[in-house]
Amino acid sequence: QVQVVESGGGLVRPGGSLRLSCSASGFIFSDYYMSWIRQAPGKGLEWVSYISRDSRYTNYADSVKGRFTISRDNAKNSVDLYIKRLRVEDTAVYYCARVGEGAAAGAGDYWGQGTQVTVSS
Amino acid sequence: DIQLTQSPSFLSASVGDRVNITCRAGQVISSLLAWYRQKPGKAPELLIYGASTLQTGVPSRFSGSGSGTDFTLTISNLQPEDFASYYCQQLMTSPCNFGQGTKLEI
Repeated sequence: QVQVVESGGGLVRPGGSLRLSCSASGFIFSDYYMSWIRQAPGKGLEWVSYISRDSRYTNYADSVKGRFTISRDNAKNSVDLYIKRLRVEDTAVYYCARVGEGAAAGAGDYWGQGTQVTVSS
Repeated sequence: DIQLTQSPSFLSASVGDRVNITCRAGQVISSLLAWYRQKPGKAPELLIYGASTLQTGVPSRFSGSGSGTDFTLTISNLQPEDFASYYCQQLMTSPCNFGQGTKLEI
């Protein structure tokens, strides 16, 4: 069955950096776009970034552009999110999701359980 | 960016009730809308895509309707596990924004 598992979260000081990882299984990884979505404490969902099947296309929310970098390794069935110059407002649970195809194009059809990132001094 | 406005933000109901949650887009998005349910402390799960197509495995008490700018998620015969938060997401163009959410409470 499809599984998506995030890792790499933790407590980081403002200005620091962090690399989140997402490992996927149960499907042909290279056939799907992948995305990251975050949720600040007690708040709603915020789309963060996506990456195309072959890494040719990436896109970012304005709030993270220039600080976040998404990448993937199709040989390892993994997608990473590198975050630099962390801000207190980046504190959130970060979810990795598979992006649906066909009629479900763009929707997150399988999500991981999330990894917590806390930015605090 | 395309803004999505959900209403209501909070909704009180009982087991067995039927409820509607609406999502209005700031511009026409055809049927490029998805709905998610998020139970407390859990990841969101896809319920509906294409405004009205039920994701595989989702119970038939969930249904979606609408196109253009106005959309509705209807939940019939509410079950205890449906007391959760619900989000719409537009899939028309990046950034694929979410609505602010609707919390469904007993």
